[in-house]
Amino acid sequence: DIQMTQSPSSVSASVGDRVTITCRASQGISSWLAWYQQKPGKAPKLLIYAASSLQSGVPSRFSGSGSGTDFSLTISSLQPEDFATYYCQQTNSFPRTFGQGTTVEIK
Amino acid sequence: QVQLQESGPGLVKPSQTLSLTCNVSGGSISSGGYYWSWIRQLPGKGLKWIGYIYYTGSTYYNPSLKSRLTISVDTSRNQFSLKLSSVTAADTAVYYCARRGDGGRALDYWGQGTLVTVSS
Repeated sequence: DIQMTQSPSSVSASVGDRVTITCRASQGISSWLAWYQQKPGKAPKLLIYAASSLQSGVPSRFSGSGSGTDFSLTISSLQPEDFATYYCQQTNSFPRTFGQGTTVEIK
Repeated sequence: QVQLQESGPGLVKPSQTLSLTCNVSGGSISSGGYYWSWIRQLPGKGLKWIGYIYYTGSTYYNPSLKSRLTISVDTSRNQFSLKLSSVTAADTAVYYCARRGDGGRALDYWGQGTLVTVSS
């Protein structure tokens, strides 16, 4: 299985801050990476697919980059509704695997 | 707008079979191009991909669950199902159904999730 490792596990930030979360794959996955946002008690929501493509309806302050083994999700100006847990997922090979999650907390 | 809704027992006894159904509305499973997925989340933990099915019945399973897992599709009812046999407390989780869309093979629509507790 491909291991997905996110860092940091949690980050404290203020409204307006720029936040970057990284995701590393244990082997190359080209651009087959997705990012999801999950709020407590809710299902995950797709933000980014194919490493850098913004899902329809997702605010442009979210962006993704990377290829191969190293990827990042950036929130350019953190908004109150962005406090949540973020997961990366590789969609390159089976079984699909997720990172352990990064929680963005209010500072 | 595609919507997915999980249903099934919220409590299952150890050694029994966990059975869930996902009803799809706002689109036809038979239209093709999408894979219909199951994902679970242990309490307070991360996400685990269980497997998915195409409308033709073709399946992809997580090897860690494969020996106990069956995913099936009923196109006439526009729904797909999960059966996990010989459950233990370690299978207690929120189970989500989702659609694997055509954008980067990502999961673009999700059900709200259903908590299944394995306990006697």
